Amino acid sequence: DVQVVESGGGLVQPGGSLRLSCAASGFVYGNYAMSWVRQAPGKGLEWVSVVSRFGGLAYYADSVKGRFTISRDNSRNTLSLQMNSLRAEDTAVYHCAKHTGSTWGDNWFDSWGPGTLVTVSS
Amino acid sequence: QSVLTQPPSASGTPGQRVTVSCSGSSSNIGSNPVNWYQHLPGTAPKPLIFKTNQRPSGVPDRFSGSKSGTSASLAISGLQSEDEADYYCAAWDDSLTGYVFGSGTKVTVL
Repeated sequence: DVQVVESGGGLVQPGGSLRLSCAASGFVYGNYAMSWVRQAPGKGLEWVSVVSRFGGLAYYADSVKGRFTISRDNSRNTLSLQMNSLRAEDTAVYHCAKHTGSTWGDNWFDSWGPGTLVTVSS
Repeated sequence: QSVLTQPPSASGTPGQRVTVSCSGSSSNIGSNPVNWYQHLPGTAPKPLIFKTNQRPSGVPDRFSGSKSGTSASLAISGLQSEDEADYYCAAWDDSLTGYVFGSGTKVTVL
């Protein structure tokens, strides 16, 4: 079965850093683009970032551009999100999501993880 | 504020038909496929409709999607209690170079 599971969430102070990971299994990981999507408390889903199948291309939401970095290790079937200069408004459950193809415009997220909670607070 | 606009809520009695709208622009819905996700807070979102009107395996045919210009719709016919959830539309935005989600619609079964 296709499975993606996030880890690394926790409590961090404003201005701090945190690194999230996503472990993938049940599919040929290197064939698919991957994204991070978050949901702040009481808010809707917000796309955060996408990375290409080989990791050479990435895009970010304006709200995290310059502070977050997405990366992947195809040898370990893992996806990462390095989050720096964290703000209170970054508090959210972060989901890892598998795309249905190697690109993004014409495909969709067919598998999602349960998410990991990041709380930014002093 | 979300790029795609959805009504905050929709409701119906069991067996009724409920429609959720999603309004966007030429750079997202107008030029890319629309996808819909069903979400119960605290769980992984579930894909419901892809490429505007296609259903993933296992999704009942009570769920259907459509698009016209820069707007899309999700219809749930034969509403059931287990359909009570939050529903989100999503599409790639060529101008923003990223995905955009709708603001979400909470569907309540009365």
